[in-house]
Amino acid sequence: SQTIHQWPATLVQPVGSPLSLECTVEGTSNPNLYWYRQAAGRGLQLLFYSVGIGQISSEVPQNLSASRPQDRQFILSSKKLLLSDSGFYLCAWSVNRESGYTFGSGTRLTVV
Amino acid sequence: LAKTTQPISMDSYEGQEVNITCSHNNIATNDYITWYQQFPSQGPRFIIQGYKTKVTNEVASLFIPADRKSSTLSLPRVSLSDTAVYYCPDECHGNNRLAFGKGNQVVVIP
Repeated sequence: SQTIHQWPATLVQPVGSPLSLECTVEGTSNPNLYWYRQAAGRGLQLLFYSVGIGQISSEVPQNLSASRPQDRQFILSSKKLLLSDSGFYLCAWSVNRESGYTFGSGTRLTVV
Repeated sequence: LAKTTQPISMDSYEGQEVNITCSHNNIATNDYITWYQQFPSQGPRFIIQGYKTKVTNEVASLFIPADRKSSTLSLPRVSLSDTAVYYCPDECHGNNRLAFGKGNQVVVIP
């Protein structure tokens, strides 16, 4: 069966520090991968999506970046965190429009 | 990008049927309509999908009129555990991207 792993679950980082969040998918090949952010009291915002290794599309300009070094690995990074980067970060995968999205358990990031 | 609109919050008592409607004013011909459920501090969970007419599964029913300009998610006999945010995301054509709005908060009251 397909599973998605996302870590860490919670993270507290100082302003200006780097960030690396990792997401891995098991049980499927060539998935579409997504990073979303949910700020307090707001909806889910699509940050990045990827349809294949090394293929990254950005939805919102910001100080975040994403990479897909392997087929089932998706990484969200930042060189210097801002206070406004705080939020709940969610990774998701899909294989086609009919299958829907499967989300990971999320990472709660607090920038202090 | 198709735009859906949803109300923000609604309360319901245990045992009642809850209906949540979403507008799909700019839905494309080949777009599916999907609904997701999100509990606090968890990722959204896919619950139901349809193209037209009615779809039912163990969690909910989805009603889609012939013009597909709206959809209604029906939760039969809700319990406290159905308290969650419900989304009907927009589909971004041709790229299998979903845009989630703020969703609809359903609070089930004992």
